[in-house]
Amino acid sequence: AAGVIQSPRHLIKEKRETATLKCYPIPRHDTVYWYQQGPGQDPQFLISFYEKMQSDKGSIPDRFSAQQFSDYHSELNMSSLELGDSALYFCASSPPRLAGGPYEQYFGPGTRLTVT
Amino acid sequence: AQSVTQLGSHVSVSEGALVLLRCNYSSSVPPYLFWYVQYPNQGLQLLLKYTSAATLVKGINGFEAEFKKSETSFHLTKPSAHMSDAAEYFCAVTLGNDMRFGAGTRLTVKP
Repeated sequence: AAGVIQSPRHLIKEKRETATLKCYPIPRHDTVYWYQQGPGQDPQFLISFYEKMQSDKGSIPDRFSAQQFSDYHSELNMSSLELGDSALYFCASSPPRLAGGPYEQYFGPGTRLTVT
Repeated sequence: AQSVTQLGSHVSVSEGALVLLRCNYSSSVPPYLFWYVQYPNQGLQLLLKYTSAATLVKGINGFEAEFKKSETSFHLTKPSAHMSDAAEYFCAVTLGNDMRFGAGTRLTVKP
């Protein structure tokens, strides 16, 4: 079965540079989520999109922005990178929601960002 | 706001022994609960989910979890641990668009 695709898998940037992470959800999934997982930490919700519109916002820094495109893929743009931004960034997608159904999320393999 | 608490950041069991990973939730309304597993340098894989259809939920790899409203718990169990079960396990809760994870429990399986 198709899974969530993230690219690149690894990215090394210097402080104050910018980075763009891409996410391709599972086909026919209409919601995309972004998470940040620091070393030894649990994933922290950043932002989500439903049908190409921002649906919820978590602890996403103002230096970061994201969008979902017409083909449902999403990009997380990160500017003025700081050392503390080094983390695993996960994208997840979920299928159309049935009434009363759970919103299970399927995660991609992640992008490991290292800021030096 | 909903949240989950995982008791025990590290659990170590012997191969063949019972696995019990604890998760308690805090929610003002019936939540949706999940268990995910994360192997080193990999993404999170869904183990099982609570849908309110049944309090005992069976997942992949022989894991199951029981929803106990009276105890606000959703503990994960497996009757017999296998070496391949060694990983980080996250309990998670969601009511809407954002999923809140517990701090995770690292399971070690000793031969």
